[in-house]
This record gives sequence, C-alpha cells and structure tokens, in this order.
Amino acid sequence: AQSVTQPDIHITVSEGASLELRCNYSYGATPYLFWYVQSPGQGLQLLLKYFSGDTLVQGIKGFEAEFKRSQSSFNLRKPSVHWSDAAEYFCAVGFDSASKIIFGSGTRLSIRP
Amino acid sequence: SQTIHQWPATLVQPVGSPLSLECTVEGTSNPNLYWYRQAAGRGLQLLFYSVGIGQISSEVPQNLSASRPQDRQFILSSKKLLLSDSGFYLCAWSVSGSVGQPQHFGDGTRLSIL
Repeated sequence: AQSVTQPDIHITVSEGASLELRCNYSYGATPYLFWYVQSPGQGLQLLLKYFSGDTLVQGIKGFEAEFKRSQSSFNLRKPSVHWSDAAEYFCAVGFDSASKIIFGSGTRLSIRP
Repeated sequence: SQTIHQWPATLVQPVGSPLSLECTVEGTSNPNLYWYRQAAGRGLQLLFYSVGIGQISSEVPQNLSASRPQDRQFILSSKKLLLSDSGFYLCAWSVSGSVGQPQHFGDGTRLSIL
C-alpha cells in the first residue's frame, strides 16, 4: 500500500542554521510530491511540488526539495532558517487520477533564537 | 485568482447538536473538493472528496456526511455531534481532470464539542 513517512516528529534548529526535513514514500511508480507548511490555527500552504523533470525543485520562502528515486525520498531543505519558519511541515504524495493526496504525519519545526 | 472560503472559523457545540460547515471556492470551475479533519498535534485525515455535483466519496465511516449542492460549494454535516468529532476541519480544492494537481486549503474551522 502507498504510504508517506516523516520520521522526525519535532526538530529544533538555531536561527540562521540550515534545515533538512525528511520524507520517504512507498509506491511502485513515480509519485507526485508536495511539501506544505501549516502555521498554528491556519490552513496548509503549498511550498513546492514535483511532477517530473528536474529532481531539484525550488519553492516559496527560500525552500527547495530534492527527489531521489533510488531512496524513495523527497527531503525539504533551506540553507538558513528564520524565526518565522517555525511551523508544522507536511510531506504529501499523490498517486492516482482522482487527485487524492496522502499526507505524512508532519514535522514540527521550532527555531532557537 | 482562485480563493477558498470556510466558515465559521471557530465553533463550540454541545454533544448531540447538529453541525453544518460550509466551504466555497471562487475563480475556478468543476474543482475537486475535499474535507479533512486534523486532531490536535496529528496529521490530516481525509473524510470526504467530491469530483462533481452530487458525487461524494466517503473515506472513513463515521458520524459525518458531506454534500455538494453546487459546483463550488461543499458542506460538512452531522445530525448529532459526538465528543470525538472535536478537531480542526479543513476544506481543500484541486484542479480536476489532470493527475498530480496539488490541493489548496482554506483556513479551517476549529470545532469544540462540549
């Protein structure tokens, strides 16, 4: 069965430090991949998406993600985090034509001043 | 541009009371529509999705129902709320007719059951 795993429940990084959030999926073919961010009490905002082509995808707010087929991964990165990046981050994977998306359980990011 | 509206933003209801949450999308036609629930500190659980007027697919059997009376309107309902219905409810839409489209979310409704 298809699944999405975000192995880190909570990560704390210092402001200005680099960030990498992990995401792994299980599927037999190439999926459609997304990263979303959710601030407390808010809806989810799309950061970036991968459909095909270049495996390094640029998104909003300075984020990027790299699709690695051999590792079934789609990790999110940012070279230097800001205090405003503190939020919940969700990796999501789409598999079929009904546009249903499976979400990971999320990673909460805290920023240390 | 497309926008999605959910209301109310917060709702406090007694156990056993009915529920109606509304979601509307503007700026697009025939969108796919979705209702999710998010428990505190948890991920998203897909409740219902719709690919057209009157077409509702239920993902999880429960105390809730959904309807799509108009192309860009999606309603989440319950006849009698349970304590376990508390949570953060999110509506989303996506472009229909092509695979791999991202979903776009509303700001959510915080539902507390007393």
